[in-house]
Amino acid sequence: GAGVSQTPSNKVTEKGKYVELRCDPISGHTALYWYRQSLGQGPEFLIYFQGTGAADDSGLPNDRFFAVRPEGSVSTLKIQRTERGDSAVYLCASSTGLAGVEEQFFGPGTRLTVL
Amino acid sequence: AQSVTQLDSHVSVSEGTPVLLRCNYSSSYSPSLFWYVQHPNKGLQLLLKYTSAATLVKGINGFEAEFKKSETSFHLTKPSAHMSDAAEYFCVVSLNQAGTALIFGKGTTLSVSS
Repeated sequence: GAGVSQTPSNKVTEKGKYVELRCDPISGHTALYWYRQSLGQGPEFLIYFQGTGAADDSGLPNDRFFAVRPEGSVSTLKIQRTERGDSAVYLCASSTGLAGVEEQFFGPGTRLTVL
Repeated sequence: AQSVTQLDSHVSVSEGTPVLLRCNYSSSYSPSLFWYVQHPNKGLQLLLKYTSAATLVKGINGFEAEFKKSETSFHLTKPSAHMSDAAEYFCVVSLNQAGTALIFGKGTTLSVSS
C-alpha cells in the first residue's frame, strides 16, 4: 500500500517568506508526527497529532511554526517569516494511533532551503 | 530527562565481518528504545524496538540489540555485514511513556567495504 507522502520534495524560499509543507499519512492512521532534521543531526520532534487535535506541540521552536490537521488526515506545517536557520529536511510520520508504543512510518521529507 | 548518545559518528567494516553500533541512553523511567535506519534518498525505517519485554530484541535484516539497564546501553549488532547495510543508523528513545515523541541520536554512518 501507499506510504507517507510529502510535498513538495524540495522548497526554496527567501528569508521572510511564508511556506507550507504538506503531509499525507498512511490511510487509516490517526496519529501524525512532524520532525525536523538539520544537516548532520538526527530528526528533532516538533508536533504530534491524534486525529484533528495537536496532542503535543512541545517541540515547535517558536510561534512562527504552526501545524494543522483539519480533517484528521492530511496535515500542513506552516512557517511564517522564514529564517535561514529554518533550512532543514522536514519529516512527517504516521502510526495507527492504537494503544502502546508503536512504529512510526516516515515519509521521504521536504528539503526546505531559506536563502 | 530523556536523551540518547551514539558513541561513534562513523563505523567502517568489511563485508562479512560483525557490526557493532553503540548507543547509551538516559531516562527517568523505563524507556522505550528503537533503532531506525536511513538509506540515501529513502525514508527512515524501523529496524527494531524495545518496550520492556525481552532484553534481546531481534529486528529486520539480521540486526539485533540488547537492552542493558545496568550499563544504560542499547547497542546494535549484526553477525555479518552486507554491502546493502551501508546507511545512517539512529538510536532513538521515547520522550514519553506513550512513545508519541521520539528523541533521535545524531546518527552513525555505517560503511561496508568489499
